[in-house]
Amino acid sequence: DIQMTQSPSSVSASVGDRVTIACRASQGISRWLAWYQQKPGKAPEFLLYAASSLQSGVPSRFSGSGSGTDFTLTISSLQPEDFATYYCQQANSFPLTFGGGTKVEIK
Amino acid sequence: QLQLQESGPGLVKPSETLSLICTVSGGSISSTTYYWGWIRQPPGKGLEWIGSIYFSGSTHYNPSLKSRVTISVDTSKNQFSLKLSSVTAADTAVYYCARIGPRCSGGSCYVPWGQGTLVIVSS
Repeated sequence: DIQMTQSPSSVSASVGDRVTIACRASQGISRWLAWYQQKPGKAPEFLLYAASSLQSGVPSRFSGSGSGTDFTLTISSLQPEDFATYYCQQANSFPLTFGGGTKVEIK
Repeated sequence: QLQLQESGPGLVKPSETLSLICTVSGGSISSTTYYWGWIRQPPGKGLEWIGSIYFSGSTHYNPSLKSRVTISVDTSKNQFSLKLSSVTAADTAVYYCARIGPRCSGGSCYVPWGQGTLVIVSS
């Protein structure tokens, strides 16, 4: 199974800050990586696929990069509505696996 | 617009079988492009993929749950279902159905998700 490790597990930031979240796969997954945002009590919202392709309707302040085993999600200028938990998910092969999540909190 | 909706009991007794149905509306479950799956999230914890099914009935399960999980599809009703046997309190979670599978190109492969349904395992 491919293990997905996210870091940090939480980050405190202010509105307008640049935030970067890392996701590492235990083996190479090419660019088969997705990112989700989840707010309390809500289903996850899909943000990016293929490591760096933005889902339609997702603000351009979100971006992704990486390939192989190391990936990042960057929020260029944090907005109030971005305070949430973010998950990466490998889409390379079954069994599908998620990272443990990164909670972006208000500083 | 494609939508998914979970349904089923919100309370299950320990040792019994949890059963949920996901109803797909606004599109066909018989697409050759997509897998359909179940994901769960225990209170305050992260996301765990349970398993996925293709419209043909081909299934893939999380190895940690494989001995207790059955996912099936009913194309005539545009539904797929989850059965999890011998449940314990550790199976208490919000259960989501979603379009989710590997190596599928395009954003449509990862959406939508259902709103989720909380299942509590308790006597």
